[in-house]
Amino acid sequence: DIQMTQSPSSISVSLGDRFTITCRASQDIGNYLSWYQQKPEKSPKLMIYRATNLEDGVPSRFSGSRSGSDYSLTINSLESEDTGIYFCLQHKQYPWTFGGGTKLELK
Amino acid sequence: QVQLKESGPGLVQPSETLSLTCTVSGFSLTSYSVSWVRQPSGKGPEWMGRMWYDGDTAYNSALKSRLSISRDTSKNQVFLKMNSLQTDDTGTYYCTRVSVRKPPFDYWGQGVMVTVSS
Repeated sequence: DIQMTQSPSSISVSLGDRFTITCRASQDIGNYLSWYQQKPEKSPKLMIYRATNLEDGVPSRFSGSRSGSDYSLTINSLESEDTGIYFCLQHKQYPWTFGGGTKLELK
Repeated sequence: QVQLKESGPGLVQPSETLSLTCTVSGFSLTSYSVSWVRQPSGKGPEWMGRMWYDGDTAYNSALKSRLSISRDTSKNQVFLKMNSLQTDDTGTYYCTRVSVRKPPFDYWGQGVMVTVSS
């Protein structure tokens, strides 16, 4: 199975800060990676697909990038509504696997 | 308007079988695949399996021996059955639409909480 190592597992960030979450894939996954945001007691919400594509309606302060086997989600100028847990997901190879999650809180 | 809604028992006895239904609207099961994803409380999600638009299935190898996914296209429903449930199968179970354009999951159901306990 492809392991997705996500970091950090949690972080407190100030409003207006820039923040990056990274998922490292244990094997090549091409750009078959998506990012999801999950609020408490809610279903995950698609934020980024195919590594770099912003889902409709997602603010432009969110962006996705890739460097080798590292995939990153960056939030520029954090807003209060951005808190929650973020997961990456690889869908290159079965079984599709998620990262362990990053809990983003406000300082 | 695309919607998915899970239904099923909230409590299952250990060693028994879990049966869940995902009822979809706003799209056709013969055009889109549907996956099941589960999430233990406070943990990351786990992909369980997929019902392809053509009726084929794919399963997470870790669950394959216990898991079965089927569908009834006339009722717009996808079914999950998993046997030999244990306490670590407790969690929220979601059905999701698998998109080709925005892969893999563009829409999620609200989820159903399943507790395995005697």
